[in-house]
Order: sequence, then structure tokens, then C-alpha cells
Amino acid sequence: DTGVSQNPRHKITKRGQNVTFRCDPISEHNRLYWYRQTLGQGPEFLTYFQNEAQLEKSRLLSDRFSAERPKGSFSTLEIQRTEQGDSAMYLCASRADVYGYTFGSGTRLTVV
Amino acid sequence: KNEVEQSPQNLTAQEGEFITINCSYSVGISALHWLQQHPGGGIVSLFMLSSGKKKHGRLIATINIQEKHSSLHITASHPRDSAVYICAAPNRDDKIIFGKGTRLHILP
Repeated sequence: DTGVSQNPRHKITKRGQNVTFRCDPISEHNRLYWYRQTLGQGPEFLTYFQNEAQLEKSRLLSDRFSAERPKGSFSTLEIQRTEQGDSAMYLCASRADVYGYTFGSGTRLTVV
Repeated sequence: KNEVEQSPQNLTAQEGEFITINCSYSVGISALHWLQQHPGGGIVSLFMLSSGKKKHGRLIATINIQEKHSSLHITASHPRDSAVYICAAPNRDDKIIFGKGTRLHILP
């Protein structure tokens, strides 16, 4: 296990297109988090999973956003009908119950 | 008021200077993280601290749980240390709260 892996690292898309990002956490970590970081700001919470259950969603996560973690392992974050305001770094983190968090290096989305 | 506050927001220093970045938090935490983000780059985890002090190369991180304060120090700073440094801590709801970051610029 080499840590939390996020793909792709960078994504450029045209406004209105759908995009999907993937996060592969550390295998024994049951909790997985998605954050969004816009320019000049710290990351903000979007949603988190315990195993396959999505336990909380932020109000930042509009109806165009959906996240899944179908088998309690990897997770996907999909954005439909992208808008320029969706341009940001999307960060994934995972943790087991008693240890600290491990962060992915993020997916940078640019909507043109 | 953010539950995790960092200072300064921006810091410019000459190569070789000793750098200190501070983080104060109001959440009850099990561990605090220091992260590094280079311009246009992803996030790299530097330290996870629950008590005391940790050192890695020229980087030192300290935490005082009673005072709810942590510091990140860089000794003999170098232009390649130029990055945004972020402190992060989980709150009682188990959500990571991030500081807004300190933008460090080391001049050669």
C-alpha cells in the first residue's frame, strides 16, 4: 500500500461536461473523506463514508455532485454539468478508526 | 471564526532564515496534521502529531495540547521550501478542519 491514490491528477473539461474522479484509500481504512479546495482557501468538507455508507454530505455538495463508495473500498466523485465555479482541487483522505488521516495528493479540476 | 487558525497568512523570508508558522485550534483533537502544498501541486503530509515534538530533516513540528497550539519550524530555509503550509485537525464530528494555510516564499 503506497497511501491514498487519486486519479486523475489533473482534469480540464468544458463547461457542461460530466467528470468523475477516483480515490483509492489505504486498504484497511474504513473512513473516506472528500474535500474541495478553491484558490487561496483551505480545503472544505464535502462528504464522508464509513465503509460503503455515506454518512454526511455538506451543503456545498449540490445536486450536480454525487459520491459513491460501492464496496467500501475505492470511491468516486462525479460532477454533472460542470460549471466554472467547480474549478478546484478535490482532495480525498482516509483513516482507520484509531489512526490519523492519510491524504491523497488531490485532483485539480479546471472547467473552461 | 474558523476552528483552526493559522498565522501568518503570508510570510516572505531570506534563504537561511529560521521560519515559524503557528496553528491554534479550538476543537478537541486526537492528532494534528501539518501539510505542504506547492503551487499547482498536490498535498503532501508532513507530520501527524498528538503530543510533543517531531523532526524530519529541517522541519520540526511541536504541539501543546493544553494550550491548543502547534508550530511548524523550518531551519536553514531554502527557496524549495516555498509552498503553502496547512494545519488540519479533526473535530468531534470526525471531520477534518483545515486552516486557510500560510503562503511561504523564501527568497534566494
